[in-house]
Amino acid sequence: KQEVTQIPAALSVPEGENLVLNCSFTDSAIYNLQWFRQDPGKGLTSLLLIQSSQREQTSGRLNASLDKSSGRSTLYIAASQPGDSATYLCAVRIRPGANSKLTFGKGITLSVRP
Amino acid sequence: KAGVTQTPRYLIKTRGQQVTLSCSPISGHRSVSWYQQTPGQGLQFLFEYFSETQRNKGNFPGRFSGRQFSNSRSEMNVSTLELGDSALYLCASQTGGSTDTQYFGPGTRLTVL
Repeated sequence: KQEVTQIPAALSVPEGENLVLNCSFTDSAIYNLQWFRQDPGKGLTSLLLIQSSQREQTSGRLNASLDKSSGRSTLYIAASQPGDSATYLCAVRIRPGANSKLTFGKGITLSVRP
Repeated sequence: KAGVTQTPRYLIKTRGQQVTLSCSPISGHRSVSWYQQTPGQGLQFLFEYFSETQRNKGNFPGRFSGRQFSNSRSEMNVSTLELGDSALYLCASQTGGSTDTQYFGPGTRLTVL
């Protein structure tokens, strides 16, 4: 059974700091991994999707990497801003027989202090 | 293009009642997945529908059911509500391929009293 872990559960950093959010998964046989952002009481916004054949994806100040063999992914946020404060979740799409099911970690709640 | 919409946004019910939640996917998307989010368990997969057929199912009791219509809109139903069903229910749509990005709606906040 695939399990996704995100540690720590919460993180507080000063504005401007570069930071790394970690995600680990137990079964390396994945189709892809996706990072999401969730603001309080809201739905999820997709940030980056990494296919199993890829090593990383970049969008603006965000960079996500994937190491399937070690079961790890990291989300790097450069020059953090107060507007980055949110919960960040990673999710893996697993197989076999699971076409679109995503298995989520419980998320990391990030607070960026002005 | 309009995003995923969910109605209603908020619901308050009492134990034993039933509830129906609705999800309209992004135009052209044929797959709709439902998730339950609670503080203790996080996001858990309920089921996925593709072309009106349930394609995948999570580990929830039979009180949780769903369906999809020919226009890809989906509904989920929870019967005999329990206090533990209080949660944010999220739906997500994608074109249908297993490698696609899932796009999430804002969710329906269900409170069971």
